Amino acid sequence: DAGVIQSPRHEVTEMGQEVTLRCKPISGHDYLFWYRQTMMRGLELLIYFNNNVPIDDSGMPEDRFSAKMPNASFSTLKIQPSEPRDSAVYFCASSLVRGAEQFFGPGTRLTVL
Amino acid sequence: AQSVTQPDIHITVSEGASLELRCNYSYGATPYLFWYVQSPGQGLQLLLKYFSGDTLVQGIKGFEAEFKRSQSSFNLRKPSVHWSDAAEYFCAVGGFGYKLSFGAGTTVTVRA
Repeated sequence: DAGVIQSPRHEVTEMGQEVTLRCKPISGHDYLFWYRQTMMRGLELLIYFNNNVPIDDSGMPEDRFSAKMPNASFSTLKIQPSEPRDSAVYFCASSLVRGAEQFFGPGTRLTVL
Repeated sequence: AQSVTQPDIHITVSEGASLELRCNYSYGATPYLFWYVQSPGQGLQLLLKYFSGDTLVQGIKGFEAEFKRSQSSFNLRKPSVHWSDAAEYFCAVGGFGYKLSFGAGTTVTVRA
């Protein structure tokens, strides 16, 4: 039984480049969440989806960040253009409709040079 | 607004000793409460959760937590710590809207 899958696990890019992070939630889960974790700010919720529809994107830091969920089994978080301050670990999590517990993926460690 | 405070940034405990991690929450209704553990380089793993009912909840890896509404607390405990328990621990609060708020985390170091 596969958990939440994220790719890539590590990404190193240069400032100004576009970065796309990918997530496959647990099958059957209706909620998908994107988080960012940094030493300074801890774990922050960026955006979450319900049945592929974005519900709350108030945590998205800037217009440079965008997220999509074209179907129930795939979501992307895109940063364009990337900046060094975007360096962080980005987590995807999913949950069932009636269960508030969230299951986390292994994360993508992003380094922007 | 919902929020979580974990007063202890770092705790060092000897192997075999007991461990207690503190968590205080703010939430306007009956909360859903969670403890997650994160090992270095890993994602977050759910240790236990409280939705309703018995205020003492048992989790994986020998952990338990007690919900105290009067104190707005949900402290995590383990009677005897193992070296593998060294990790970062996060308390989280949420509600029916499924939006969780996490504490800043407590790093646990286990000494031999």
